[in-house]
Order: sequence, then structure tokens, then C-alpha cells
Amino acid sequence: QKEVEQNSGPLSVPEGAIASLNCTYSDRGSQSFFWYRQYSGKSPELIMSIYSNGDKEDGRFTAQLNKASQYVSLLIRDSQPSDSATYLCAVKGTSGGSYIPTFGRGTSLIVHP
Amino acid sequence: DVKVTQSSRYLVKRTGEKVFLECVQDMDHENMFWYRQDPGLGLRLIYFSYDVKMKEKGDIPEGYSVSREKKERFSLILESASTNQTSMYLCASSLGQRKPQHFGDGTRLSIL
Repeated sequence: QKEVEQNSGPLSVPEGAIASLNCTYSDRGSQSFFWYRQYSGKSPELIMSIYSNGDKEDGRFTAQLNKASQYVSLLIRDSQPSDSATYLCAVKGTSGGSYIPTFGRGTSLIVHP
Repeated sequence: DVKVTQSSRYLVKRTGEKVFLECVQDMDHENMFWYRQDPGLGLRLIYFSYDVKMKEKGDIPEGYSVSREKKERFSLILESASTNQTSMYLCASSLGQRKPQHFGDGTRLSIL
């Protein structure tokens, strides 16, 4: 059973701070990793994809992947109240069923002014 | 940008009715998916399709069926709606095996 674990939170950070969201996964063969943002009552929105070890930056967002330790993280710099949402981690493997990502249950982020 | 369109944002139906949820994507994606999302339970996969006329059961297919007659369209059918099928339904599509899924806006379905 492939598992993706996230701390449910809420993670509360002040405006302007760095928010750090973490995700661990069980399938060592995983090759594709995604972060989604989901506002309350809305659908998940893709914000980052990462496929190789190291960091990938896109604006205020940085995804970090460490395959040896089987974790992927998302850093949000200069956090804004509009970043308050649930962040879902998703992982895709390479074996049968690799069309289908495994989702974590999400971490709730609250950015307070 | 990928566009995944679900036919209704909100839908109210009665128990026992046959309910159709439609999803259309405009990016020629092979893979399409139906999920439901409930508080505390996360995303649960109902059915998916990796090609026209192909379908595979997900984790919770009971009480549902699907149809994919054209590549761009994937329909979810509740054969006889029950109150425990009240939920947010999300359609997604993806290209190939490594690429991410893109979600529609969701349909909030209430069964009375």
C-alpha cells in the first residue's frame, strides 16, 4: 500500500514569514511529485511539480525533493494571508498504476496578519 | 492552460434518482479520473480511464459507473443515488504517466 503522509496542521505563520510544509512517502520507486493548493470549498490547483533531487523554485514557492530520505517539502517565502489554504502532496510511482497519484490528506496553512 | 470543465457546480437530487456528472477536458489528455472528497477523508478515487472506452475501478467504485465514449469526455453515473453519496465530486485529467493531474472546479452534489 503506497502511503503519503502529511501533518494535518493547522500550521500557523505570521505574514511575511517562511512556511514550511512537509510530506513523506513510502514507495521508494516514486518519480513524480506534486504540490497542490486547495482553498476551502474549491478544487485542488497545481502549484509545483518536481521530478529530480534538489530544489525547484517558482516565484515565492520552492519545492525540495530528497529521494534517499523519501520526503518532499514546499517552502513559501514571504507568506501572505491569501496563501491560507490546504496544501496537498501527491506522488506518482513507476510500476503498475503509475497513472494514478497517491495523495496525502493535506496540511492546513493559516497565515495571520 | 489545461481546462477541465465539470457540467455543474452545485446539484441537488433525490434518493433513487440516476445522476449524471459530466467532465470535459480540452488538452487531449489520455487519462481521466473521478474522485470524491469528504471532510477528514481526503481524495478518494472512484474510477479512472486511460483511453477511450477503457475504465478501471478505483478505491470506492460501488454505486457508481462511468462512460468514456470520446477522449475528451468522462462521465460519472450514480445508478441509484443515496444520501451517503452526498459529497464534492472532482474530475481530473493528465497526460502520460509522469505528468500531474489537473482538476475541474468540482461538483457539490447533495442527495436528499
